[in-house]
Amino acid sequence: QKEVEQNSGPLSVPEGAIASLNCTYSDRGSQSFFWYRQYSGKSPELIMSIYSNGDKEDGRFTAQLNKASQYVSLLIRDSQPSDSATYLCAVNQAGTALIFGKGTTLSVSS
Amino acid sequence: DTAVSQTPKYLVTQMGNDKSIKCEQNLGHDTMYWYKQDSKKFLKIMFSYNNKELIINETVPNRFSPKSPDKAHLNLHINSLELGDSAVYFCASSQIGGVSSYNEQFFGPGTRLTVL
Repeated sequence: QKEVEQNSGPLSVPEGAIASLNCTYSDRGSQSFFWYRQYSGKSPELIMSIYSNGDKEDGRFTAQLNKASQYVSLLIRDSQPSDSATYLCAVNQAGTALIFGKGTTLSVSS
Repeated sequence: DTAVSQTPKYLVTQMGNDKSIKCEQNLGHDTMYWYKQDSKKFLKIMFSYNNKELIINETVPNRFSPKSPDKAHLNLHINSLELGDSAVYFCASSQIGGVSSYNEQFFGPGTRLTVL
């Protein structure tokens, strides 16, 4: 059974701090890795994708992938109250559906 | 200019009824999906179609029947609705063919189904 594990949280950080979200996956054949943000009552929104080991930066977001450890993380720098949401980690092999973790709830206090 | 759209947004119905949810994407993608998000917010794949052909069919009761009239549309018909079918159903699309495709999936706004 392919699984994606995330700490459900809530993760609470003060405004301006760095939020660190982590994810592990069980399928070594996984090829693509994604972070989605989901606000309450809304649909998942793709914010980062990463396919090779290392770091990928996009604005305040940095995704990190370590395939040997089967580990993906998302760093959010200068966290804002508007970043408060549930962050979903998802992985897949080419041409298949996404396997989602259960999400980590992030709360950024002003 | 909605990329992935779904109708209806809300659906409230009685047990035993039959209902349909429609999905359309204008991204030119070749693959579409149905996901179910339960009350605990866990998002799980139900079906996937690639160019109108069913490629993923997870363990879903056969009361659920997807139909893809063309690669831009994927509908979900549910027969004999049960209380446990209450959830949010999301449609998504992606491009899995092509040199630089990594299956980034984009989600519709969701349909909140409530079975009374």
